[in-house]
Amino acid sequence: GAVVSQHPSWVICKSGTSVKIECRSLDFQATTMFWYRQFPKQSLMLMATSNEGSKATYEQGVEKDKFLINHASLTLSTLTVTSAHPEDSSFYICSASQNIGGNIQYFGAGTRLSVL
Amino acid sequence: AQSVSQHNHHVILSEAASLELGCNYSYGGTVNLFWYVQYPGQHLQLLLKYFSGDPLVKGIKGFEAEFIKSKFSFNLRKPSVQWSDTAEYFCAGRDNAGNMLTFGGGTRLMVKP
Repeated sequence: GAVVSQHPSWVICKSGTSVKIECRSLDFQATTMFWYRQFPKQSLMLMATSNEGSKATYEQGVEKDKFLINHASLTLSTLTVTSAHPEDSSFYICSASQNIGGNIQYFGAGTRLSVL
Repeated sequence: AQSVSQHNHHVILSEAASLELGCNYSYGGTVNLFWYVQYPGQHLQLLLKYFSGDPLVKGIKGFEAEFIKSKFSFNLRKPSVQWSDTAEYFCAGRDNAGNMLTFGGGTRLMVKP
């Protein structure tokens, strides 16, 4: 089946630093990638949707200057949390889909971000 | 607004018990519905999906779900659960034209051996 790899799985950083999270589709070309945030004991909340080669579409309430998304190729999207603060600590999950087979989203394992 | 809701936040069952997890959606028009499972420490995996056709959908690991349009429901069922089914289960939906998934709040299932 389709595999989505997310790296790193856990990152701890100091407040004020920037953190980059990578999302790769390993065995398929992902025309669309999605970034979610999951708070403890809550569901996934969509942050943004990105198509390869174009700007990401952010959901209401998500700061595009804080959460920079780059979808430079059909197999890689990155999320950069800029000037991270403790309230940005969360679980970030990416998913990828291709324009065939019903646009099924395949999920990465997630990245736990802890900002001290 | 489009939404998906799961009524059971936590479910505890003994092995061999039957399982039914509720999912309701509010979408106008044609809807695609999904159940995902997240085992501890792992990524979300697709259990099954409904796009059209037979409203009774069979998925992996013995799970099935029934799309009941009149009730706006897509409940997940398994006749006999195993300890290894302990996980969190998410129902999700999207309209037929779109990519964006809306997730329910999740149901944490614990199966006692």
